Amino acid sequence: GQQLNQSPQSMFIQEGEDVSMNCTSSSIFNTWLWYKQDPGEGPVLLIALYKAGELTSNGRLTAQFGITRKDSFLNISASIPSDVGIYFCAGQLRGGNEKLTFGTGTRLTIIP
Amino acid sequence: DSGVTQTPKHLITATGQRVTLRCSPRSGDLSVYWYQQSLDQGLQFLIQYYNGEERAKGNILERFSAQQFPDLHSELNLSSLELGDSALYFCASSARRERGSEQYFGPGTRLTVT
Repeated sequence: GQQLNQSPQSMFIQEGEDVSMNCTSSSIFNTWLWYKQDPGEGPVLLIALYKAGELTSNGRLTAQFGITRKDSFLNISASIPSDVGIYFCAGQLRGGNEKLTFGTGTRLTIIP
Repeated sequence: DSGVTQTPKHLITATGQRVTLRCSPRSGDLSVYWYQQSLDQGLQFLIQYYNGEERAKGNILERFSAQQFPDLHSELNLSSLELGDSALYFCASSARRERGSEQYFGPGTRLTVT
C-alpha cells in the first residue's frame, strides 16, 4: 500500500531543543493530519490542517499545510521527555473515500 | 482517551484459525475505519463503514471481512489466518464535517498468529 515519505526517519535530540519534520506526497491531499504514537498504543491526533498554506498550533506544536498540497510540516518547540514517540503524518481526500494515507513515521528520541 | 474502544487488547491464535476483533466508536460518530499496522507495511487502511454501510475498501484481503451493526459498533473478521497476518489492528471513528473528518483511534488489538 501507499505510504507518504516522512523525514527524518529518526531524530536524537536533547531536551529543550526544537524539532522539525516533514512529509511529502506525489499526489495532492485536501486534509493533512499529524498523529503521535507511543509503543503499543493507538495514534493520537495532534493537529488537523484543512487548507493549503494553513498554519496551525497546538501548544508547542505547529504544523503547516504546504502550498502545493503535496506536503506538510510539523515543528515541536522546546522538546520535553513526553514528546518521545513516533510521529506520523496522514493525508486525506474529501468526498466519499476518507481513508488516511500515512507517512512512514519519524521516531523522536530525547537524549538525557 | 480517544473514546474509541477495542477488544480484545491481545489475541494469540494459530494458523488457519478465525478471529473477530471488536470496535466501539466515539459517541455520535457514524464512520468507522479499520487499519492494519505491521513493521514492513506501516499503517494501512483496510475498510470504512458509514452508518452500517460499507463506504470504502483498501487493500483488504478476501479472507478478511467487516461489518457495522445498528448500534454502530463494528467487527473485523479475519479467517484462515497466516503468520503474516500478525500485526496491530486499529479501529478509528470520525464525525462527518465539511472540512474533512478527523479520525480518532482506539488502543488497538495486537494479533499474534503462531
